Amino acid sequence: QVQLQQSGAELTKPGSSVKISCKASGYTFTSYDISWIKQRPGQALEWIGAINPGSGGTGYNEKFKGKATLTVDKSSSTAFMQLSSLTPEDTAVYYCARSGGYGSYGYVMDAWGQGASVTVSS
Amino acid sequence: DIQMTQSPTSLAASVGESVTITCLASEDIYGSLVWYQQKPGKSPQLLIYGATILEDGIPSRFSGSGSDTQYSLKINSLQPEDFASYYCQNGLSTPLTFGSGTKLEIK
Repeated sequence: QVQLQQSGAELTKPGSSVKISCKASGYTFTSYDISWIKQRPGQALEWIGAINPGSGGTGYNEKFKGKATLTVDKSSSTAFMQLSSLTPEDTAVYYCARSGGYGSYGYVMDAWGQGASVTVSS
Repeated sequence: DIQMTQSPTSLAASVGESVTITCLASEDIYGSLVWYQQKPGKSPQLLIYGATILEDGIPSRFSGSGSDTQYSLKINSLQPEDFASYYCQNGLSTPLTFGSGTKLEIK
């Protein structure tokens, strides 16, 4: 079955960077995009951006340009998101999700990782 | 960006009741509306896409409707496992945007 296994919780200091991983299994990695989504405690979901593992092409929410960098390693079916210049406002759970366009039905995230908690504190 | 306004923010209901959650898009999204369920401490799960298409494995007591800018999610005969948060999502254009969520609680 489709699985997205994310890396563990991170405790980091303001101004630092963190890199989260998302290892995919159970499907052809290059056939679907990987989206990244932020959820602050008790808050709604925010789409950060997506990467096409086949081409490496990316699309970002303007709000996260300069904050997030999406990459993939096709050899290990793993997607990565690096967050830079961290502030307390970056404290959140970050999800990866298998995603793609379902034709006229829209762009859908149909399988999610378990989430990676990032805490930014001095 | 397309804004998604979801209501109500919270809702209390009893097992066996039916509830409806609504989502209003700031512009026509041509049926590209997605619904997710999220239980506490868990990842979101896809329920419905294309406004009305039930994802495989989702019980038929869940249904979606709507068009243009107005959409709704109905849950019939609430079960204990349905008490969770629900989010709508614009699936038409990037940036993908979500509603603020509806927390469904047991009355």
